[in-house]
Amino acid sequence: SAVISQKPSRDICQRGTSLTIQCQVDSQVTMMFWYRQQPGQSLTLIATANQGSEATYESGFVIDKFPISRPNLTFSTLTVSNMSPEDSSIYLCSVPTGGTEAFFGQGTRLTVV
Amino acid sequence: DAKTTQPNSMESNEEEPVHLPCNHSTISGTDYIHWYRQLPSQGPEYVIHGLTSNVNNRMASLAIAEDRKSSTLILHRATLRDAAVYYCILFGGATNKLIFGTGTLLAVQP
Repeated sequence: SAVISQKPSRDICQRGTSLTIQCQVDSQVTMMFWYRQQPGQSLTLIATANQGSEATYESGFVIDKFPISRPNLTFSTLTVSNMSPEDSSIYLCSVPTGGTEAFFGQGTRLTVV
Repeated sequence: DAKTTQPNSMESNEEEPVHLPCNHSTISGTDYIHWYRQLPSQGPEYVIHGLTSNVNNRMASLAIAEDRKSSTLILHRATLRDAAVYYCILFGGATNKLIFGTGTLLAVQP
């Protein structure tokens, strides 16, 4: 199993600013995933964070808007840059465990005003 | 990515069995069928997964059709705590990516 801690759990931010979300895992993992969940919607995969290489972004997501760091095998950050109200969502990190179950953080609830 | 189709919502009564269907007609031979659920205000949690044979664990059972084009998640006795969105996801291969569909919102009535 894996225990995932996300910080902050929630935040209210002004438009035009940036927020960095942290994801800490209690074990070393090769891949970490970042998801966005817009209000009332399902989860959408933003990118895969790989240690030692650049993140791999899904269609519709770009590095300038969602830069990701992965400095070691237990930690990653996702930055939401130049925020607008449309970025108001829950952001979640996730780690797989060898193709069976994946574990998710509790999420960061972001409101942009 | 292979897609799944689930009903938008279902209702159940407490302590009754619940059968949540999922269609995945484009499943490939190496795709596993995974189920996750998301309780209110929480991240998704793993429920069960299978490849070809039916599977049971402490949370649920997974019945997989012989042609693998559909599956059913079975909660044997629904409780109020089982009210959640249930996602059926096809997972196959090296990327370990879980691609979520729209899921089924399960309401459990007392």
